Amino acid sequence: EAQVTQNPRYLITVTGKKLTVTCSQNMNHEYMSWYRQDPGLGLRQIYYSMNVEVTDKGDVPEGYKVSRKEKRNFPLILESPSPNQTSLYFCASSFFGNLNTEAFFGQGTRLTVV
Amino acid sequence: SQQGEEDPQALSIQEGENATMNCSYKTSINNLQWYRQNSGRGLVHLILIRSNEREKHSGRLRVTLDTSKKSSSLLITASRAADTASYFCATDSPNRDDKIIFGKGTRLHILP
Repeated sequence: EAQVTQNPRYLITVTGKKLTVTCSQNMNHEYMSWYRQDPGLGLRQIYYSMNVEVTDKGDVPEGYKVSRKEKRNFPLILESPSPNQTSLYFCASSFFGNLNTEAFFGQGTRLTVV
Repeated sequence: SQQGEEDPQALSIQEGENATMNCSYKTSINNLQWYRQNSGRGLVHLILIRSNEREKHSGRLRVTLDTSKKSSSLLITASRAADTASYFCATDSPNRDDKIIFGKGTRLHILP
């Protein structure tokens, strides 16, 4: 089954404790991206990747890191989480960027930083 | 940066009625997509419309694109309770990079 898998689904952590949210897709997609969703703000792109070893900042990259060492995986790293990073996070993938093809979304990771 | 903006922010209609929501954007685009999100879950792709297309259909969904007005509309005909969700448009970045810009969404509630 074609899917994007995020883990964990729920996470509560403390300020400053490094964490990683994993994302994996099984569709051989080139384009992957991370979004955060906050009430009243919609989805905002954090980082995206056009292919292996190619990553770029989205609209809200501060406080986040990503890596794309393999085509299927695109982990999101919070080196020192802060309460303002409490949010619902989504990973997505598509064959290409620029909205040329449909994007598939993971089920989301609800992160709370206390 | 906000490229696409949906309107209205929220919409409640009776089951069986048609629902129309709009997306306006600021700069020219190559592609526009509509997505649905059921409460707190991942987004699901509905329709892709390219800048050289004016209208596309998929089942009970009809999407139009007016590039002169920089706007798109999503029409859901004969609404059902299962259509209750948030709907988002996504557009190319105005900076011509590979970013994807989502609007804030329209919350649609279908009343029984």
